[in-house]
Amino acid sequence: AQRVTQPEKLLSVFKGAPVELKCNYSYSGSPELFWYVQYSRQRLQLLLRHISRESIKGFTADLNKGETSFHLKKPFAQEEDSAMYYCALQREYGNKLVFGAGTILRVKS
Amino acid sequence: DAGVIQSPRHEVTEMGQEVTLRCKPISGHNSLFWYRQTMMRGLELLIYFNNNVPIDDSGMPEDRFSAKMPNASFSTLKIQPSEPRDSAVYFCASTSGLHNEQFFGPGTRLTVL
Repeated sequence: AQRVTQPEKLLSVFKGAPVELKCNYSYSGSPELFWYVQYSRQRLQLLLRHISRESIKGFTADLNKGETSFHLKKPFAQEEDSAMYYCALQREYGNKLVFGAGTILRVKS
Repeated sequence: DAGVIQSPRHEVTEMGQEVTLRCKPISGHNSLFWYRQTMMRGLELLIYFNNNVPIDDSGMPEDRFSAKMPNASFSTLKIQPSEPRDSAVYFCASTSGLHNEQFFGPGTRLTVL
């Protein structure tokens, strides 16, 4: 079965500090990996996906198949980055997304 | 497009009562998902539909939960009878194809007393 692990429930950093939200997965195939974000009082929305290899709002994530990880990184955190972040996995076939438990990022001024 | 629409936004009910949550997906999307969000377990997929047909309901916790999608523009999630441990935020999401972004509704916050 597929599983996504986000080991940190809460990550608190100062504005301007680097951020790394950890995500590890277990799946024997070739998954599609996503990061979704939920800002306060807003809907859950897609932040980025590994296949597009793009940087969104300064965030990047690299799929490491050897370590089965898809950590989300940003070199300089901003207060508006404070939100709940979910890592999610999708198999090669089917639309089902398996989410991690989520990490709350709090950026302090 | 208003995006995925869910109703009600908040529901407070007493244990044993029937609860019905409603979802209208984005027009043209052919897949619809129901999720439950709790602090302890995060986001869990309950069930999803492709072209109005239930594909995977392995996440439905027990027989008290049921979901229907009578047409492409409407789905319901019903809990009967409800229990306090069902208290959570229930999200509906839709997507237009394989590996495409899922668009989420605003959620329904359910409190069962």
